[in-house]
Amino acid sequence: AQSVTQPDIHITVSEGASLELRCNYSYGATPYLFWYVQSPGQGLQLLLKYFSGDTLVQGIKGFEAEFKRSQSSFNLRKPSVHWSDAAEYFCVTNNAGNMLTFGGGTRLMVKP
Amino acid sequence: KAGVTQTPRYLIKTRGQQVTLSCSPISGHRSVSWYQQTPGQGLQFLFEYFSETQRNKGNFPGRFSGRQFSNSRSEMNVSTLELGDSALYLCASSEVTRETEAFFGQGTRLTVV
Repeated sequence: AQSVTQPDIHITVSEGASLELRCNYSYGATPYLFWYVQSPGQGLQLLLKYFSGDTLVQGIKGFEAEFKRSQSSFNLRKPSVHWSDAAEYFCVTNNAGNMLTFGGGTRLMVKP
Repeated sequence: KAGVTQTPRYLIKTRGQQVTLSCSPISGHRSVSWYQQTPGQGLQFLFEYFSETQRNKGNFPGRFSGRQFSNSRSEMNVSTLELGDSALYLCASSEVTRETEAFFGQGTRLTVV
């Protein structure tokens, strides 16, 4: 089964700075990859997804991610972080049906 | 349309008791999956139900069980509760294919004392 790894447990960035959250996935013929965000009291929300086509995908809230098969990566980026982006971010893969496998998560803190 | 509804939002149970959690998916979604979230283990898949049948199962003991009804509502049951079962239990509903988004409920916070 495919799995995902998030190397960074915590990341702190200044408001207005750029952001990149890392995600590595294990080998799979067709990766079904997602980024979800979890804010306190907000539940889990989908930011973007990739399963085929253009390797640069755009999501909500100004986020984008790039799928790089050569590096087995699916990193999440945002050019300018807002204080409201502080949350926990999960890289996720779908192995079958609605069976999601989550990375360990990266907690993002935003400095004013 | 209405989102995924989980009830109750909070529960406190005593070790050895059993508990039932409920999940109402988005209308039209036939797949419901359950996840356990703890600080130590993160988010882990419990099981998935599709059209009243368990389609996939995670690596949890038999004390964890679930079912799905004909209206796609799902319940999960944990018997003989242990302190380590304290967690946030999340339910997600989706349409059939792997490409589609899973919509999550707010979760049920279970505390076992």
